[in-house]
Amino acid sequence: GESVGLHLPTLSVQEGDNSIINCAYSNSASDYFIWYKQESGKGPQFIIDIRSNMDKRQGQRVTVLLNKTVKHLSLQIAATQPGDSAVYFCAENQGNNNDMRFGAGTRLTVKP
Amino acid sequence: DGGITQSPKYLFRKEGQNVTLSCEQNLNHDAMYWYRQDPGQGLRLIYYSQIVNDFQKGDIAEGYSVSREKKESFPLTVTSAQKNPTAFYLCASISQGSYGYTFGSGTRLTVV
Repeated sequence: GESVGLHLPTLSVQEGDNSIINCAYSNSASDYFIWYKQESGKGPQFIIDIRSNMDKRQGQRVTVLLNKTVKHLSLQIAATQPGDSAVYFCAENQGNNNDMRFGAGTRLTVKP
Repeated sequence: DGGITQSPKYLFRKEGQNVTLSCEQNLNHDAMYWYRQDPGQGLRLIYYSQIVNDFQKGDIAEGYSVSREKKESFPLTVTSAQKNPTAFYLCASISQGSYGYTFGSGTRLTVV
């Protein structure tokens, strides 16, 4: 079946640097994508979303880019801080009963 | 504050025992979901409910049961038929017409 996946399981960056977390998806019918942040022992928290009719969306210190041609999604975090250390998931909403499909996640570690 | 409350945070189950995980939301959301999270894997859907007194199986429903007698509540029972129940369980909800889930803080279930 179709699934959402991630290129890298771990990412380590220096505090203050920019982080880029990638995600590949395979369901071309998905119309909505979300990035979640999950800290250890907690539930995922919504970070930012993007619809399939957009290619870029910006939030506070975060930007999501969507490349439908290669079915690729990325999350960019500017000036990464220690509090950004967490696992980041991408998820796609396939528009069927709000059925969200999640990738395995990327663990981001920020070094001081 | 509105949100989703999962309890207990930690739960220990003996072999052959049924246990019930609680999920309560005061967001007035229509749909509720149960996911299982294992290390290094994405979230996998167990059961979901779009309306009261109705629910559907997800990808890994075997060994689990749910009920939806009230809009606010969606308890999950892990039965003795679930042979590998040790995992982190997440409850989520969403309102009709929205796209992003709100997650609870999770219950960590361990078989002893």
